[in-house]
Amino acid sequence: AQTVTQSQPEMSVQEAETVTLSCTYDTSENNYYLFWYKQPPSRQMILVIRQEAYKQQNATENRFSVNFQKAAKSFSLKISDSQLGDTAMYFCAFMRTFGNEKLTFGTGTRLTIIP
Amino acid sequence: EPEVTQTPSHQVTQMGQEVILRCVPISNHLYFYWYRQILGQKVEFLVSFYNNEISEKSEIFDDQFSVERPDGSNFTLKIRSTKLEDSAMYFCASAGAEGNEQFFGPGTRLTVL
Repeated sequence: AQTVTQSQPEMSVQEAETVTLSCTYDTSENNYYLFWYKQPPSRQMILVIRQEAYKQQNATENRFSVNFQKAAKSFSLKISDSQLGDTAMYFCAFMRTFGNEKLTFGTGTRLTIIP
Repeated sequence: EPEVTQTPSHQVTQMGQEVILRCVPISNHLYFYWYRQILGQKVEFLVSFYNNEISEKSEIFDDQFSVERPDGSNFTLKIRSTKLEDSAMYFCASAGAEGNEQFFGPGTRLTVL
């Protein structure tokens, strides 16, 4: 079974600064997907970024980027130029690549952007 | 942009009552899921559904739970006899043929009194 660990329950950072959220996972699979989801106070689950394990290049989406270290089973999210709207819970998630697969989530990191 | 919708947004029920949570997945999607999030906790997988049958279910998804896709557009989660511990946010999600990205609905907050 896969597990996802987020060791930072809460983080805060000043607006416009850069912040990195950590995530580690455990799996015996070689091919899989990793995701970061954002959950604002509305509790909607919003996909931030996706990484395919067979791709060595780290995924980026505007101000969001990941540092994917496959051997270390580490998948951190970097938010650059943080904005007040980035305040949310962030969940790291794992999914196998066989088509109809469930997401396994970590416990989340509550990120607060301070004005 | 197509989106997953869920109704109701909030459901309050008495312990022991049956509830049906409704979801309309994105129209050309093939894979459907229900997840649960107890307040302050992580999101947990309940069940996946494909080709009109359950593909996988978690240990949470016991005999009190059932899913159905009655008409080709709706996807429902039924809880037959609700318990206090069923109080949670329930998310529906769907994925297309590639299955590599799940789109979530806004959730239904279930409160069992």
